[in-house]
Amino acid sequence: QSVLTQPPSVSAAPGQKVTISCSGSSSNIANNYVSWYQQLPGTAPKLLIYDNNKRPSGIPDRFSGSKSGSSATLGITGLQTGDEADYYCGTWDSSLSAVFGGGTKLTVL
Amino acid sequence: QVQLVQSGAEVKKPGASVKVSCKASDYTFTSSGISWVRQAPGQGLEWVGWISAYNGNTNYAQKLQGRVTMTTDTSTSTAYMDLRSLRSDDTAVYYCARDDIVPTLNFHYWGQGTLVTVSS
Repeated sequence: QSVLTQPPSVSAAPGQKVTISCSGSSSNIANNYVSWYQQLPGTAPKLLIYDNNKRPSGIPDRFSGSKSGSSATLGITGLQTGDEADYYCGTWDSSLSAVFGGGTKLTVL
Repeated sequence: QVQLVQSGAEVKKPGASVKVSCKASDYTFTSSGISWVRQAPGQGLEWVGWISAYNGNTNYAQKLQGRVTMTTDTSTSTAYMDLRSLRSDDTAVYYCARDDIVPTLNFHYWGQGTLVTVSS
């Protein structure tokens, strides 16, 4: 059971928009920055969003992050088949450990 | 281009220890930290801990306290993760990632992963 709660799966058609939620608590998301990672099968995770809403260089603006209270959201617009992957949110917890969500599998129909 | 190259796959028996290395290149090693993240087969990501390559400060996941030790060798820009008293549920791919001089979750660069299998 992960400290952060994500939906196990989401799906949408190519070109559409999808959002992935990440629910936490006052012990973690509410008082810390959130990062988002994309993981393609058999590869290391890739940083998509850090500090709630910042994109590393090279990440297209189709990817966006937001946070409100103890929840965070990853948005992906203009879905492409190459976006099919597992997505993870992560943040710090008051226990002084980093925590991740259980992951969300994105299917582009 | 920043690179993190990890050591090869390991097979260990329960109760044994494993030491995974992560060699960094093309950045100033001592101005950063290294975090370790593991992923059991078919499962999600789990943070293992962090070490500062600047001063050796560490921060370990509570569930692994007492079994994990992270070190660095600044002369070779290499970080190490030592996990003792291995159990079957330690079977996972272990990743190192470049972090900051304080632990963050902003892992812009990752190693390729090292599969550690614990089996009798």
